[in-house]
Amino acid sequence: GENVEQHPSTLSVQEGDSAVIKCTYSDSASNYFPWYKQELGKGPQLIIDIRSNVGEKKDQRIAVTLNKTAKHFSLHITETQPEDSAVYFCAATFGNEKLTFGTGTRLTIIP
Amino acid sequence: NAGVTQTPKFQVLKTGQSMTLQCAQDMNHNSMYWYRQDPGMGLRLIYYSASEGTTDKGEVPNGYNVSRLNKREFSLRLESAAPSQTSVYFCASSEKGGYTFGSGTRLTVV
Repeated sequence: GENVEQHPSTLSVQEGDSAVIKCTYSDSASNYFPWYKQELGKGPQLIIDIRSNVGEKKDQRIAVTLNKTAKHFSLHITETQPEDSAVYFCAATFGNEKLTFGTGTRLTIIP
Repeated sequence: NAGVTQTPKFQVLKTGQSMTLQCAQDMNHNSMYWYRQDPGMGLRLIYYSASEGTTDKGEVPNGYNVSRLNKREFSLRLESAAPSQTSVYFCASSEKGGYTFGSGTRLTVV
């Protein structure tokens, strides 16, 4: 089955700087890669996703890049703000079902 | 629009007790899932249901059973709780990929 590795496990950045979280996946058939943000005491919330037919997708300060050849994808957050502090999870799947999640990155924005 | 509703939010069980975690979604999604979340291990799939009337095991099904009661509801049952089942449990539903998660049930087994 699919295996997703996520790095780093913790990340601290100064407010206003950029943050990058990286994930690798094992199943070359995977074609859907979402990212989730989990705030304290809440369930994960989808923030951005990308399908295998594109290499990059942006939504305001958030972007995701996908390298199918290397089987890795990354989340980029620019101009970080205190409300970006949370745990972020990447995931991968083939055919829109049974997401396999990474182990999460705890992002802390330092004011 | 409630999305995915889980009950209860917190529960303490004694070893050997049984309980059912309830989940309901109002988005008319076909697929529903139960995950557990443990520190440093991310979200691991317990069981899922691709459609009403079907259920399948995920990565960590031992000690659990599920029921897809109808399209809206997907319950998770612990028949004889063990301390290793102390965790936060999340229900989710999806249609064409994007998951919507509930707010979770924090379960402690003593």
